[in-house]
Amino acid sequence: QITLKESGPTLVKPTQTLTLTCTFSGFSLSTSGVGVGWIRQPPGKALEWLALIYWDDDKRYSPSLKSRLTITKDTSKNQVVLTMTNMDPVDTATYYCAHVSAAGTLDPWGQGTLVTVSS
Amino acid sequence: EIVLTQSPGTLSLSPGERATLSCRASQSVSSSYLAWYQQKPGQAPRLLIYGASSRATGIPDRFSGSGSGTDFTLTISRLEPEDFAVYYCQQYGSSSWTFGQGTKVEIK
Repeated sequence: QITLKESGPTLVKPTQTLTLTCTFSGFSLSTSGVGVGWIRQPPGKALEWLALIYWDDDKRYSPSLKSRLTITKDTSKNQVVLTMTNMDPVDTATYYCAHVSAAGTLDPWGQGTLVTVSS
Repeated sequence: EIVLTQSPGTLSLSPGERATLSCRASQSVSSSYLAWYQQKPGQAPRLLIYGASSRATGIPDRFSGSGSGTDFTLTISRLEPEDFAVYYCQQYGSSSWTFGQGTKVEIK
């Protein structure tokens, strides 16, 4: 059974850097074809794909946020870390991580963590 | 970046009725790498359909997906009470993935 859980601060100040950790079980990021993705959802709004990292350390980023995002993995700890710099109130959202299957789909997802950006 | 446009924004139907949701892409989606997700209030999204028409594990057969190129459809043949939710399409055929803005299926 694959499970993922996001962790990190619930409140950050404008201009600060957000660091989120996705801790997972039930799969290994050393398995060919597998990855972990990050997605966010502002309150009452649509899903937005942010980034993903594959087993071979191939990384992809949303073009609109690429300059602010960094995704890394620690295979030994079963963790993926997403950092987002220069946080703004519009970045207030629930942040999800999800398993990327060999078929390329986001399945399953973590429960999500709400991050509020406010001074 | 491929833009996905979902219609309608809201679909008001009664249990037992058929729901047809549309997802249109701004350019062709490679190899039909198009997925559909269901999201209920306070929950994470759940994968329903991948590869445009393949049901994910455990998804009832009243859910079906079709389409190719730039036009895709999710059909729920007979709505059950638990199907009232928001549905998102997502493309994963390019190096930059994108989601549609969602269609809410509400009880009429």
